[in-house]
Order: sequence, then structure tokens, then C-alpha cells
Amino acid sequence: AQTVTQSQPEMSVQEAETVTLSCTYDTSESDYYLFWYKQPPSRQMILVIRQEAYKQQNATENRFSVNFQKAAKSFSLKISDSQLGDAAMYFCAYGLGGNTPLVFGKGTRLSVIA
Amino acid sequence: DTGVSQDPRHKITKRGQNVTFRCDPISEHNRLYWYRQTLGQGPEFLTYFQNEAQLEKSRLLSDRFSAERPKGSFSTLEIQRTEQGDSAMYLCASSPRLAGGFFADTQYFGPGTRLTVL
Repeated sequence: AQTVTQSQPEMSVQEAETVTLSCTYDTSESDYYLFWYKQPPSRQMILVIRQEAYKQQNATENRFSVNFQKAAKSFSLKISDSQLGDAAMYFCAYGLGGNTPLVFGKGTRLSVIA
Repeated sequence: DTGVSQDPRHKITKRGQNVTFRCDPISEHNRLYWYRQTLGQGPEFLTYFQNEAQLEKSRLLSDRFSAERPKGSFSTLEIQRTEQGDSAMYLCASSPRLAGGFFADTQYFGPGTRLTVL
């Protein structure tokens, strides 16, 4: 069974600085998708960024980028120029595409210090 | 375009009572998923539908749980004889069918229903 591990329960970053959240996963599949979702306090989960495993190029979305290391089964999220609104729970998730449910990690709580 | 909506947002019930939650997916999204999220954990898959067909149920979905999507639009999740261990956030997500018949890999989540069983 696929598993997703987020080893950092909590992280903090100074406003305008850069922070990296870690995620590792276990799978025997070669083609899959990886996601980072953000869940602000008492608000719904929104997609931050997605990566297709067959693409070697790391995905980027504005201030958010990933470091995808397929052989190491690692998928970290880098947030640049951190803003107060980035404070949230961040979940790493794995999926085999539109046919299967997502498998989530336990999350990392990110605090942004003004 | 409205997002995924869930009703109610909060539900407090006494142990042994039945509860029902509703999820309205994004319009024309064929796939609808239910997840459960307990405190300090990530969401865990419960079940999902393609249109009105329930395609998969996880082992977390005990006999006390039942889900329906009768017309392929909204879905309901019912928990019978609630137990304190059922206290959690119940999340609904949906995803569209893309051109060419493939399903999108990205799921869009609703705000969740927080259940507290006393």
C-alpha cells in the first residue's frame, strides 16, 4: 500500500523568508501524481501545487515550488517570500490519477512570524 | 462557478443517534469522494462515486456508514448509531471528467462537516 510521510509536525518561518516542507512516499508504481494541499484554520483545503511523476521538471506556482526526487521518493515544497497568509496546515498527498483516491500525510503546521 | 459545498458545517449529536451529511460537488464533476479527518491527522479515504455508482469503499467504512449519490449529483453520508470515535471532520471532494474520457487527477475539497459525538 502506498504511504506518505511528513516528518515535520510543525515549522515556522519569518515573514519574507524561505521555508521548505519535507515529504517522502512509498510506492511501487512508476506513474503517479503528487500534491501539496493547504488547509488554513477553519477553512477548506485548497490545492497549492501538483507534480506528475513522469515529468522530470519540478513544478512551480508563483512563490511555491517543489523538489521532486523520484528515485529517492521525495517531494518537498519550498515557499519563497513567506507571507502571513501562508500560515496553515500543509498536506502532502499521493494519487494514481483520476481513478483512485488520494493518500495523505499527517501534515505540517506552518507558522509565519511577522 | 461555486465550489464544493457541504451541509451542515457543524453537527453535535449524542452517542447512538443517526446523522446525515450532504455534499454538493462542483457542477458536472463526475467523481465524488468522501474522506474523514481526525485531529492531528491527514484526511483518510472513505468511499467514492462515479456518477451514481459507488466504486470503492475503504475498510474504515463500517456497516454503520452508508453513502449514496442517487442522481449522480449531490451525495449523502449517513452514520447510524454514532459512537464517540466517529467524531471527526468529514470532507467531500469532487473531480471532473476531462476531454478524451480521462478523469482529472486533482480533487477539489469542500469546507467539511465537523461532527462531535457526546
